[in-house]
Amino acid sequence: GAGVSQSPRYKVAKRGQDVALRCDPISGHVSLFWYQQALGQGPEFLTYFQNEAQLDKSGLPSDRFFAERPEGSVSTLKIQRTQQEDSAVYLCASSPGTLGTQYFGPGTRLTVL
Amino acid sequence: QQQVKQSPQSLIVQKGGISIINCAYENTAFDYFPWYQQFPGKGPALLIAIRPDVSEKKEGRFTISFNKSAKQFSLHIMDSQPGDSATYFCAASKETSGSRLTFGEGTQLTVNP
Repeated sequence: GAGVSQSPRYKVAKRGQDVALRCDPISGHVSLFWYQQALGQGPEFLTYFQNEAQLDKSGLPSDRFFAERPEGSVSTLKIQRTQQEDSAVYLCASSPGTLGTQYFGPGTRLTVL
Repeated sequence: QQQVKQSPQSLIVQKGGISIINCAYENTAFDYFPWYQQFPGKGPALLIAIRPDVSEKKEGRFTISFNKSAKQFSLHIMDSQPGDSATYFCAASKETSGSRLTFGEGTQLTVNP
């Protein structure tokens, strides 16, 4: 079956623009995670959804970052007024339950000029 | 605060050799320790995982050794192959708290033919 998909794969934004990154998790997966991966670093947790409920958003770096999963399936990570330090790969992962293996998508590489 | 420390940062091994990557964690509440493999342009993929009730887990050429008292765990890749060349990340989570993963900094493994 299909894995986690993310779109767009690459996004270039001018500083100050708003961006929206989409994640399509594996069908039926309950848990969805967003991570930020800076160049040459390990992924860092941003936020976590269980179905449509956002249970943990403690990793969001500022109030410019907002995530939603309104129907418990597709999720969108929105970044307002992008800054250069937002440049990174944004990874989405899903898990069938509340525990266990997380399956990652290919990521969206965001470059803010 | 870096809760999971990984070493070495890079590793070069000859084909057929053993690759060893080490990780140390601080939070004793962690109860799930996966290793992920990441190729350029791809998302991390689960390689093997261990829980602290066992000291070793082997799957094919990949073995995790776990030392709970030392708060350390390591990945051994036996008979390393050029196709194993990738970046490897250790991670840890508290599964009872939503399974958010805390990653190490990564090890870039190169296996020479």
